[in-house]
Amino acid sequence: ELKVEQNPLFLSMQEGKNYTIYCNYSTTSDRLYWYRQDPGKSLESLFVLLSNGAVKQEGRLMASLDTKARLSTLHITAAVHDLSATYFCAVNTDKLIFGTGTRLQVFP
Amino acid sequence: DTEVTQTPKHLVMGMTNKKSLKCEQHMGHRAMYWYKQKAKKPPELMFVYSYEKLSINESVPSRFSPECPNSSLLNLHLHALQPEDSALYLCASSQDAGWGAQNEKLFFGSGTQLSVL
Repeated sequence: ELKVEQNPLFLSMQEGKNYTIYCNYSTTSDRLYWYRQDPGKSLESLFVLLSNGAVKQEGRLMASLDTKARLSTLHITAAVHDLSATYFCAVNTDKLIFGTGTRLQVFP
Repeated sequence: DTEVTQTPKHLVMGMTNKKSLKCEQHMGHRAMYWYKQKAKKPPELMFVYSYEKLSINESVPSRFSPECPNSSLLNLHLHALQPEDSALYLCASSQDAGWGAQNEKLFFGSGTQLSVL
């Protein structure tokens, strides 16, 4: 059974700092997705990573995929309060399985 | 129009009630999904419709009954629910159909927050 694990599960960071969220998955897949969810809200698609070595950047967020290591990272640069949310990675096999989620809190 | 619209946004129901959740998209997507999300947990897949046909049922109890009247609409009929069914129910759609749909980006609706008393 596919397992998708993220760490950390909870991250409290100061504005202006950098940090990385990790997503490990247990089976072969060359497609990985990152979503953002605000409390009580729906999921917003951030990145779609479609091949080994893929790197995508949007604003202060950068995502990468290493299919050989079965690892994706979401790097946060110079965090701001607006980035506070829960971030999910999701892996495709025959269906989309979401990771455990990382709840990010950015404080002044 | 890049939205997936869900109604109602909130629903409170008793265990003997019958209610329906509705989902609509006008992006021409041929795959539609129901996910269930408990608080502070990831979404869990319930059903997948591909070209208006049910293609995946993740062993969901029969008190949840999905329906896809046409390619733009997806319903989830609820009957005799239990308090543990209280959750956020998310509808999603994607462009492609069949297994390939799982490789496409999913667009999610804002969800229905369901409380079963």
